[in-house]
Amino acid sequence: GQQVMQIPQYQHVQEGEDFTTYCNSSTTLSNIQWYKQRPGGHPVFLIQLVKSGEVKKQKRLTFQFGEAKKNSSLHITATQTTDVGTYFCAGPPWAGGTSYGKLTFGQGTILTVHP
Amino acid sequence: GAGVSQSPSNKVTEKGKDVELRCDPISGHTALYWYRQSLGQGLEFLIYFQGNSAPDKSGLPSDRFSAERTGGSVSTLTIQRTQQEDSAVYLCASTSPTGGYEQYFGPGTRLTVT
Repeated sequence: GQQVMQIPQYQHVQEGEDFTTYCNSSTTLSNIQWYKQRPGGHPVFLIQLVKSGEVKKQKRLTFQFGEAKKNSSLHITATQTTDVGTYFCAGPPWAGGTSYGKLTFGQGTILTVHP
Repeated sequence: GAGVSQSPSNKVTEKGKDVELRCDPISGHTALYWYRQSLGQGLEFLIYFQGNSAPDKSGLPSDRFSAERTGGSVSTLTIQRTQQEDSAVYLCASTSPTGGYEQYFGPGTRLTVT
């Protein structure tokens, strides 16, 4: 079945440093979604990328979707303590033009930011 | 508008007891998902309901787990004869019938089996 891997599993940074997490799927994805889960909270949808090679920005966050639609990355510039949490990627498989609603989530990258 | 709600927020039960966890999705959302998250871990898919279609139960870990969705809205996840390894946060999510299937999560139910 479809597998989605994320690296690194943990990342510790000093406030102001940049951070990147990478997501790789074993199968082509119809889209890739990113979620953030604050400590003690629940996952919150951040963004969705659909097109091959797509790049989207949200303030200090930059999201990329690979050309083959099998990988993605999230980059945070100049981290702040409010960026602390676990970042998950997730995607439904691509199957002959029909995308299913079921998402496969990566294991997440836990980000800690030291002030 | 109201988000996804779950009840109870916390549940402590004795090993061997049955528990029921409830999820009330966002109004109009046709798809509903249950996940399990152990401490510091990722999201483990349990079951997926989409409209009137047969649910995708491929993630249920054993036959002690079951779920139903009544009237296309509220869902109940039932765990029979609970075991200590069932202790986790159980998250429910729903998605709109339009768009890219982004999921809206509830606050979760923290289940502790003693």
